[in-house]
Amino acid sequence: NAGVTQTPKFRVLKTGQSMTLLCAQDMNHEYMYWYRQDPGMGLRLIHYSVGEGTTAKGEVPDGYNVSRLKKQNFLLGLESAAPSQTSVYFCASSPDREGYTFGSGTRLTVV
Amino acid sequence: EDKVVQSPLSLVVHEGDTVTLNCSYEVTNFRSLLWYKQEKKAPTFLFMLTSSGIEKKSGRLSSILDKKELSSILNITATQTGDSAIYLCAVITYNQGGKLIFGQGTELSVKP
Repeated sequence: NAGVTQTPKFRVLKTGQSMTLLCAQDMNHEYMYWYRQDPGMGLRLIHYSVGEGTTAKGEVPDGYNVSRLKKQNFLLGLESAAPSQTSVYFCASSPDREGYTFGSGTRLTVV
Repeated sequence: EDKVVQSPLSLVVHEGDTVTLNCSYEVTNFRSLLWYKQEKKAPTFLFMLTSSGIEKKSGRLSSILDKKELSSILNITATQTGDSAIYLCAVITYNQGGKLIFGQGTELSVKP
């Protein structure tokens, strides 16, 4: 019963490098979300998905892309990392848009 | 634009004190308000509030929603050092996606 698993947990990137963050859930949830958390700013929504094969932009989507090819996985991509993308990234999933399960986060530093 | 604002942004108290954290919102199609506690890792769920005026309680924590004032409070009585955390308020709307709209968080520090 893993819930929501994020990989990796930590990563350091150089400016301009690319990477993909993986979010996997084993609860058969329809809805999945990617948030970033910066000091003093709460969590801000990057992208979300309302079901397999669907994605939509959130509040701060620039510089990120996502894909939801399989219902259980939601991938967040950074094509060309910038220092402004240094943050803690959280994935969440929900079956019904009322109960949300969060992953443990990915701490990303771009130097 | 949907907005959730928390106050204060940070708070330092001593063990045994009672604290009140505030959350106000301006959103279209309000559905529910949630409170989370975050200690270094993922937010953990505290309360979901949908109806105005009904207090929810869990041990020393309680919360209530005021839909007329578009706000909610989270009370913690007899605080302990283990209550030190960031407390996040989030709102769900009926708009597409059911996404959570978060406030900035209140960082609570409880000193022994």
